[in-house]
Amino acid sequence: TQLLEQSPQFLSIQEGENLTVYCNSSSVFSSLQWYRQEPGEGPVLLVTVVTGGEVKKLKRLTFQFGDARKDSSLHITAAQTGDTGLYLCAGAGGTSYGKLTFGQGTILTVHP
Amino acid sequence: KAGVTQTPRYLIKTRGQQVTLSCSPISGHRSVSWYQQTPGQGLQFLFEYFSETQRNKGNFPGRFSGRQFSNSRSEMNVSTLELGDSALYLCASSDRTSSYEQYFGPGTRLTVT
Repeated sequence: TQLLEQSPQFLSIQEGENLTVYCNSSSVFSSLQWYRQEPGEGPVLLVTVVTGGEVKKLKRLTFQFGDARKDSSLHITAAQTGDTGLYLCAGAGGTSYGKLTFGQGTILTVHP
Repeated sequence: KAGVTQTPRYLIKTRGQQVTLSCSPISGHRSVSWYQQTPGQGLQFLFEYFSETQRNKGNFPGRFSGRQFSNSRSEMNVSTLELGDSALYLCASSDRTSSYEQYFGPGTRLTVT
């Protein structure tokens, strides 16, 4: 059974601060996705990483896939109140095309 | 391109009843996956349908079932509802490429009383 451990579970910071969310597993994933979810809505895909060591940037967000494809991180620079939400990592691999394994999520609150 | 749509958005049912949820995937996507999201368990995979066949199944009781139609639309059915079935039910569509990307709908909030 593939498991993803996401940390921290809660993050409360001031606007302008930097933060990092981690996603770790003992299993290898073929790809890893990061989603952001607002209350009462479905998760919105932010990025997909598929290559070990890959780094992708999306404005102030930087995503990294570990060399061994077992872990990933999301770094936000100069957080804004609009970044508030639930961040989820999800891994996929093998023949399980339709199945994503999700981390527990990180609830980020950015205070003005 | 229109996104994933789910109907209804909200539903209130009584214990013992059954419910059917509907999902229309992104045009051209033939894979539909269903997930249950609760505060305690997070997002858990229910099952995936591709070309009208169930391809993967999560660890849920047989009360949870689904089907997919020839136009790729999918339905999920839960019979003999229990209080613990209260959750946000999400469907996601995919074109089943090597990146494994899935795109989620807004969800159906099911409350069982």
